[in-house]
Amino acid sequence: GNSVTQMEGPVTLSEEAFLTINCTYTATGYPSLFWYVQYPGEGLQLLLKATKADDKGSNKGFEATYRKETTSFHLEKGSVQVSDSAVYFCALIGSQGNLIFGKGTKLSVKP
Amino acid sequence: KAGVTQTPRYLIKTRGQQVTLSCSPISGHRSVSWYQQTPGQGLQFLFEYFSETQRNKGNFPGRFSGRQFSNSRSEMNVSTLELGDSALYLCASSPGDRGQVKQYFGPGTRLTVL
Repeated sequence: GNSVTQMEGPVTLSEEAFLTINCTYTATGYPSLFWYVQYPGEGLQLLLKATKADDKGSNKGFEATYRKETTSFHLEKGSVQVSDSAVYFCALIGSQGNLIFGKGTKLSVKP
Repeated sequence: KAGVTQTPRYLIKTRGQQVTLSCSPISGHRSVSWYQQTPGQGLQFLFEYFSETQRNKGNFPGRFSGRQFSNSRSEMNVSTLELGDSALYLCASSPGDRGQVKQYFGPGTRLTVL
């Protein structure tokens, strides 16, 4: 079945450091891929998405490229800020239309 | 447009009780999905309602049920609560078209079962 695997956290970085959060998926076909972010005490917000192979999603300085060869959708940001501290979830759309999430990666950015 | 709203935000119940959570989608959205978030299992899909009909269902026991009203508002019910039902319950709305991929999440209802 469809599944998403993302790197275990927590990840702790200093402000302005480079961020990579790895995400790989198993799926039939080429599902749409997403990164969601959850700030403390809040629900999920869509950060970016890609709907087909080689698409690059980007938002707020974050980027991720849909790589079908490696079945990956790694999240990157060149220079993180304290305000980026949150939990990040990689997800795909399952065959029945529901979201299937990875376990989440907690990011803490120190000033 | 107002976002997805969920009520109540926090609930404390005891084992064996039942609970009803409410979700109001974004105006014009006809699909509402429910997810359970726990530290151990992460985010898991419960069910989706579209135009008052359950369109999709996850792998949860029958104690978890839901419904959707003609104004697209949705409720989920958990009967005979267990300690393991303690979780953040999130709902998400979307326009509902099968090809629509973007879902908008509410802030969640934090359920604690004692």
